[in-house]
Amino acid sequence: GEDVEQSLFLSVREGDSSVINCTYTDSSSTYLYWYKQEPGAGLQLLTYIFSNMDMKQDQRLTVLLNKKDKHLSLRIADTQTGDSAIYFCAESGPPGGNTGKLIFGQGTTLQVKP
Amino acid sequence: NAGVMQNPRHLVRRRGQEARLRCSPMKGHSHVYWYRQLPEEGLKFMVYLQKENIIDESGMPKERFSAEFPKEGPSILRIQQVVRGDSAAYFCASSPRPEGGYTFGSGTRLTVV
Repeated sequence: GEDVEQSLFLSVREGDSSVINCTYTDSSSTYLYWYKQEPGAGLQLLTYIFSNMDMKQDQRLTVLLNKKDKHLSLRIADTQTGDSAIYFCAESGPPGGNTGKLIFGQGTTLQVKP
Repeated sequence: NAGVMQNPRHLVRRRGQEARLRCSPMKGHSHVYWYRQLPEEGLKFMVYLQKENIIDESGMPKERFSAEFPKEGPSILRIQQVVRGDSAAYFCASSPRPEGGYTFGSGTRLTVV
């Protein structure tokens, strides 16, 4: 079945780059997403990538997609203490059959030390 | 344009009681999704509704859980005869189309005592 896996924890120093990794199993996924969740809050969409793309850059965020290995990563440049949160990757369903249902990973807690 | 509104933010119920969770989608959004987040876990899909219709309820437990999205008013997730294992954060999201990348509400944190 569909499955999304993430490492659970990442600690970096302020100003360094953070790289959060994710692997998924459904090769027919149309879009892959990164969400951010701050304590006690809902999920905020950070960025997404279409499955026929290799890379997408949006300010400090860079998403890399290796479709062959089913590996997705989120790089945050110049990480700030305000970036401390849980980051979830998620995949959507196949083209044509997409109802918008998302499969989420278990989340990576990013800790940014001053 | 207000975001997705969920209420209550926190809900405490005793075992055996009913819990009703409300979700008002963003203006113009007719697609609503409910997810559950257990402690230390990611979000699990529960149900996808379009106005007055349940489109996909593959993630809903077979018993005690129901959802609706009436023509007028918010979407409601209803849990009857709650048990301790129902304690979780329940998130609602809405979208103008049936595709991901949608906006989530702040969630309702249900505690069953």
